[in-house]
Amino acid sequence: DAGVIQSPRHEVTEMGQEVTLRCKPISGHNSLFWYRQTMMRGLELLIYFNNNVPIDDSGMPEDRFSAKMPNASFSTLKIQPSEPRDSAVYFCASLSGNEQFFGPGTRLTVL
Amino acid sequence: DQQVKQNSPSLSVQEGRISILNCDYTNSMFDYFLWYKKYPAEGPTFLISISSIKDKNEDGRFTVFLNKSAKHLSLHIVPSQPGDSAVYFCAADFSGNTPLVFGKGTRLSVIA
Repeated sequence: DAGVIQSPRHEVTEMGQEVTLRCKPISGHNSLFWYRQTMMRGLELLIYFNNNVPIDDSGMPEDRFSAKMPNASFSTLKIQPSEPRDSAVYFCASLSGNEQFFGPGTRLTVL
Repeated sequence: DQQVKQNSPSLSVQEGRISILNCDYTNSMFDYFLWYKKYPAEGPTFLISISSIKDKNEDGRFTVFLNKSAKHLSLHIVPSQPGDSAVYFCAADFSGNTPLVFGKGTRLSVIA
């Protein structure tokens, strides 16, 4: 298996633009997590899904953030409109047992 | 309020010496603890874990110690190697399909 796949790896955009981050979890993993990593806050959980259903989105910072998981093999995290303070690395992870497997992350820069 | 705390943002150790990374937690309901290692431009990768019914787990150069009464765990790396230089995240779990709760990480630099 290729592991958790995220795209794009890098995204540079201007303030106000819509940004869509994509994730393909490991096949057979039923839970998917979106995290944001910043220097100040470390790894923050934004939202997680079990069997494609959002379970807890309390970590989503604002209404500008939304996430979907239309099927077991794909999830998106959308920011609209984006702001400079959204600049961070966004990780997707899927779960097997107690261990979460992380994707390589998307480094987002909002100018 | 952070449930998992790594109070040292960085640590420097000489090659061959022991690296000790510390982690404290506040929620006594956590029953499983993990350490993740992260290199630049990569996602965190699982390193070692420990169940709350144990106080030690060893895997090669890596040993995790758990002190439940103190709500403290530590990761020991001995001997440290330059390739161990990375950010180490401590994480805790309630079990089941719940998200891990991560600390902010400690950047380890192993100096040759």
